[in-house]
Amino acid sequence: DTEVTQTPKHLVMGMTNKKSLKCEQHMGHRAMYWYKQKAKKPPELMFVYSYEKLSINESVPSRFSPECPNSSLLNLHLHALQPEDSALYLCASSQDGTSREQFFGPGTRLTVL
Amino acid sequence: GDSVTQMEGPVTLSEEAFLTINCTYTATGYPSLFWYVQYPGEGLQLLLKATKADDKGSNKGFEATYRKETTSFHLEKGSVQVSDSAVYFCALIHTGNQFYFGTGTSLTVIP
Repeated sequence: DTEVTQTPKHLVMGMTNKKSLKCEQHMGHRAMYWYKQKAKKPPELMFVYSYEKLSINESVPSRFSPECPNSSLLNLHLHALQPEDSALYLCASSQDGTSREQFFGPGTRLTVL
Repeated sequence: GDSVTQMEGPVTLSEEAFLTINCTYTATGYPSLFWYVQYPGEGLQLLLKATKADDKGSNKGFEATYRKETTSFHLEKGSVQVSDSAVYFCALIHTGNQFYFGTGTSLTVIP
């Protein structure tokens, strides 16, 4: 299985809602990533988990809260988002996070009203 | 710091035309280099990669050669198809696990 899956595919939420994005991989990868991608731009790194520990947090606002319950799962909890947070959220994984390719999921298209 | 500079788009080509998308990088040492492709409404897919100087990555008719002397990793395809219409990202990874992406080049192939 060489796939990264993400749910939901689309999400619309109000600024007072709490929601979560989910990412799953079964490739035995030990590094997982969250990226944010605005239209016509490259992905921007948000968080990196390496061996289930948060290793990089790119100064992301606290309204985004990552969680890595186990080596196959990565969640992104959302609370009190702003309309400018509307974007495609991509999850990726890599074998061990050292100079290796990352495998991306299809993304969750988030719209904040 | 590490960075990637990619050819500005958008690029529009007729079917069966030759494609080149330029990519140059700045990094000390020997980064690994990648081309990713993003089709409309989808995530990024790895197209090809090269991990050391003079390596040639190839996939689906696309090729790119890691040129240390010119710090380049240009993407080429001899004959594009309508199905190649997408956004192409050049990227590097060096120490640690942080990718540096280029700005992306949008390609449209018309029949």
